[in-house]
Amino acid sequence: ILNVEQSPQSLHVQEGDSTNFTCSFPSSNFYALHWYRWETAKSPEALFVMTLNGDEKKKGRISATLNTKEGYSYLYIKGSQPEDSATYLCAFNPGGYNKLIFGAGTRLAVHP
Amino acid sequence: EPEVTQTPSHQVTQMGQEVILRCVPISNHLYFYWYRQILGQKVEFLVSFYNNEISEKSEIFDDQFSVERPDGSNFTLKIRSTKLEDSAMYFCASTQTSGQGVSEQFFGPGTRLTVL
Repeated sequence: ILNVEQSPQSLHVQEGDSTNFTCSFPSSNFYALHWYRWETAKSPEALFVMTLNGDEKKKGRISATLNTKEGYSYLYIKGSQPEDSATYLCAFNPGGYNKLIFGAGTRLAVHP
Repeated sequence: EPEVTQTPSHQVTQMGQEVILRCVPISNHLYFYWYRQILGQKVEFLVSFYNNEISEKSEIFDDQFSVERPDGSNFTLKIRSTKLEDSAMYFCASTQTSGQGVSEQFFGPGTRLTVL
């Protein structure tokens, strides 16, 4: 059974803090790792799709790294803002027809 | 910006009734998916659909479930006889290409299904 784990489950930080969370996934049969940002009552929004070992991607204050050999990815948020408050989901694609296997998410709350 | 839409946003039904959840994927996308999230659990893959047929389905997607693309725009999920355990948020997603997992999947906002 393919399992994706995310930690921590939830995180409370102050505005301006930098933070990071972890996604662990099977290192075999790896095709891609997706990060999504999901605000309540909205559609999950894709942040990154990562495929190569050692890959680093950046979008504004958010960045992610990927280690496919050991099966983990980190998501970093620099200088957190209240609007960063959301659930951050990672999803593993083991190949085939793009089925995504999701982690449980990290719920981030940024307090002013 | 193009987006995936889903209707209704919330559906309440009685156990044993049939429900149809509707999705309008992004217009030039070719691959379509349904996922669901039972409250407190992970988002789970149900089915993927391409070229008017199912390309992959999970163990959850049994004979009670079916998908259809009845016209050029809608993509539907039908549950024939709902059970209490079908209560969940159902998400539709679409991608333009297969791309072996590297294509971003665009998600709709979900339909919350409550089975009483």
